[in-house]
Amino acid sequence: DTAVSQTPKYLVTQMGNDKSIKCEQNLGHDTMYWYKQDSKKFLKIMFSYNNKELIINETVPNRFSPKSPDKAHLNLHINSLELGDSAVYFCASSQGRGDEQFFGPGTRLTVL
Amino acid sequence: QKEVEQNSGPLSVPEGAIASLNCTYSDRGSQSFFWYRQYSGKSPELIMFIYSNGDKEDGRFTAQLNKASQYVSLLIRDSQPSDSATYLCAVIVVGYQKVTFGIGTKLQVIP
Repeated sequence: DTAVSQTPKYLVTQMGNDKSIKCEQNLGHDTMYWYKQDSKKFLKIMFSYNNKELIINETVPNRFSPKSPDKAHLNLHINSLELGDSAVYFCASSQGRGDEQFFGPGTRLTVL
Repeated sequence: QKEVEQNSGPLSVPEGAIASLNCTYSDRGSQSFFWYRQYSGKSPELIMFIYSNGDKEDGRFTAQLNKASQYVSLLIRDSQPSDSATYLCAVIVVGYQKVTFGIGTKLQVIP
């Protein structure tokens, strides 16, 4: 039983395209996150939702739009993809905002 | 000044030795401290968390927190080749509840 799942695992696409990454957690957690890990392996938070409400929105281009249809799901839609968007995107969840986080397997996005 | 600083390494230790991983943070409002391990190509997984000053032990792992010095460390006793990974320090600030990760320290345990 996967606790935090993401789809797809790999995503290869052309510049200018629009793509989405889906995340689901079956842990009953209230808080979900999106992180970007670049080629230098630096893990940077992008967004955080608590009970479907956006609570953290870091300095991320507005081409990135998160959507939380319910507290078990947090999807990430990216418009007009750029080369610099190539990275591994991790979804994570935690019971509360200050608690340990459980990470999904990651989605490796490659923009050509 | 970076919010959470770690030496990126690699830190090389022989098998059976103690590996000492260090992390400093800049915000005195930091409240919760986590150590995650990330194997190459995998997602981060929690090793330890610590909230209070002092030491916290769990098996071969000990987390140490010194809020006055704004310093948190992770000791790995009897290091094994399977401990070779990148160790990420994460810090949460009171109120804001944003988690900030350090760059991570790559540990290599040499058989």
